[in-house]
Amino acid sequence: GAGVSQTPSNKVTEKGKYVELRCDPISGHTALYWYRQSLGQGPEFLIYFQGTGAADDSGLPNDRFFAVRPEGSVSTLKIQRTERGDSAVYLCASSLQLAGQETQYFGPGTRLLVL
Amino acid sequence: AQSVTQLGSHVSVSEGALVLLRCNYSSSVPPYLFWYVQYPNQGLQLLLKYTTGATLVKGINGFEAEFKKSETSFHLTKPSAHMSDAAEYFCAVRNTGGFKTIFGAGTRLFVKA
Repeated sequence: GAGVSQTPSNKVTEKGKYVELRCDPISGHTALYWYRQSLGQGPEFLIYFQGTGAADDSGLPNDRFFAVRPEGSVSTLKIQRTERGDSAVYLCASSLQLAGQETQYFGPGTRLLVL
Repeated sequence: AQSVTQLGSHVSVSEGALVLLRCNYSSSVPPYLFWYVQYPNQGLQLLLKYTTGATLVKGINGFEAEFKKSETSFHLTKPSAHMSDAAEYFCAVRNTGGFKTIFGAGTRLFVKA
C-alpha cells in the first residue's frame, strides 16, 4: 500500500515569502505528526493531530507556523514570512491511532531552503 | 522533561564486526523507546521498539536492543555488520502517557569493507 507522501520534495523560497507544505498520510491513519529536522540533528516535534484537531501544537516555534488538517486526512504546514533559519527538512508521519506505543510511519520529507 | 543522548555522532566498523550504537534517555515516567534508521534520501524507518514486556527487543535486519531501566539505556546492537547497514540511526523516547516523540541527534554508521 501507499506510504506517507509529502509534496513538494524540495522548496526554495526567498526570505519573507509564504510557503505551504503538504502531507498525505497512510489511508485510515487517524494520527498525524509534523517534525522539523535541521542539518546534523534528529527530528524535532512540531505538532500532532488526532483527526481534524491539533492535539498538541507546543512544538511550533512561533506564530509564523500553523498547520491544518480540515478533513482528518491531508495536512498542510504553513509558514508565513519565512526566515533563513526555517531552512530544514520537514517530516510528516502518521499512525493508525493516537497511542503511545503506536508505530509512526514517516514520509520522505520536504527540504525547505530559504534564501 | 524527556531527553535522549546518543553517544558518538559517527561510528565506524568493519564489515562482519559487531555494531553497537549507544542511547541513553531521561524520562520521569516509564518510557516507550524506539530506534529508527534513515538511509540517504529516504524517510525514517522503524527498526524496533520497546513498549512493555520483554526487555530484549528484536527488530528488522538482524538488529536488537535491550531496555535497561537501571542504566536508563537502550543500546542498539547487531552481531555482524553488513555494508547495507551504513545509514543514520536515531533513538527516540515517548512517555507512556503522551504522544510527543523526542529524538536523539543521531549516529551515522559507516561500514568498511
